[in-house]
Amino acid sequence: QKEVEQDPGPLSVPEGAIVSLNCTYSNSAFQYFMWYRQYSRKGPELLMYTYSSGNKEDGRFTAQVDKSSKYISLFIRDSQPSDSATYLCAMKLTGGGNKLTFGTGTQLKVEL
Amino acid sequence: GAVVSQHPSRVICKSGTSVKIECRSLDFQATTMFWYRQFPKQSLMLMATSNEGSKATYEQGVEKDKFLINHASLTLSTLTVTSAHPEDSSFYICSARDSGGFQETQYFGPGTRLLVL
Repeated sequence: QKEVEQDPGPLSVPEGAIVSLNCTYSNSAFQYFMWYRQYSRKGPELLMYTYSSGNKEDGRFTAQVDKSSKYISLFIRDSQPSDSATYLCAMKLTGGGNKLTFGTGTQLKVEL
Repeated sequence: GAVVSQHPSRVICKSGTSVKIECRSLDFQATTMFWYRQFPKQSLMLMATSNEGSKATYEQGVEKDKFLINHASLTLSTLTVTSAHPEDSSFYICSARDSGGFQETQYFGPGTRLLVL
């Protein structure tokens, strides 16, 4: 079993839809949670980071962390074609050095 | 802010040659940088952690003599793929941790696509 599970997709939605992207994890010691967006042939771009459980909102993006269920989500409101990319979740242990553990990424396509 | 550059963006080389990839933090200092490898439709795999002024820490299964890492300044780390072979063809991405910022996040470069013929 992988430490972090993420549905690779592809996920196709119409423009304007609300997108829900999710990751589950097995290590309850993860404390820092991040979402990265990666366009084709580019490096990942940090979108959101949260510490422990709770919600965080930034513009059209909302990140949720449910540590009791070992489940994290990224919601995108009013999705745009420019949101089409691969979304990677990543997480880190407290005091676990520098290592980020990534999900495999979910490919999202927002269609006109 | 928090911009990381990589050079070259793409390189094609012959089998047996060495290739050097540079990773620079442009607007912040990074005592720690990271090198990842990514295969198509797969996640990022950490290869090594590069620490300014000291030896890099390699992940299990990564050959130190194959992938040479140097972190000579607070804004530059280099990865040299020595005696490259076709199986080394991949997308190499570096990231950097802002020494003065939120310590738990990493900012990624645009990646270097290596093709070994």
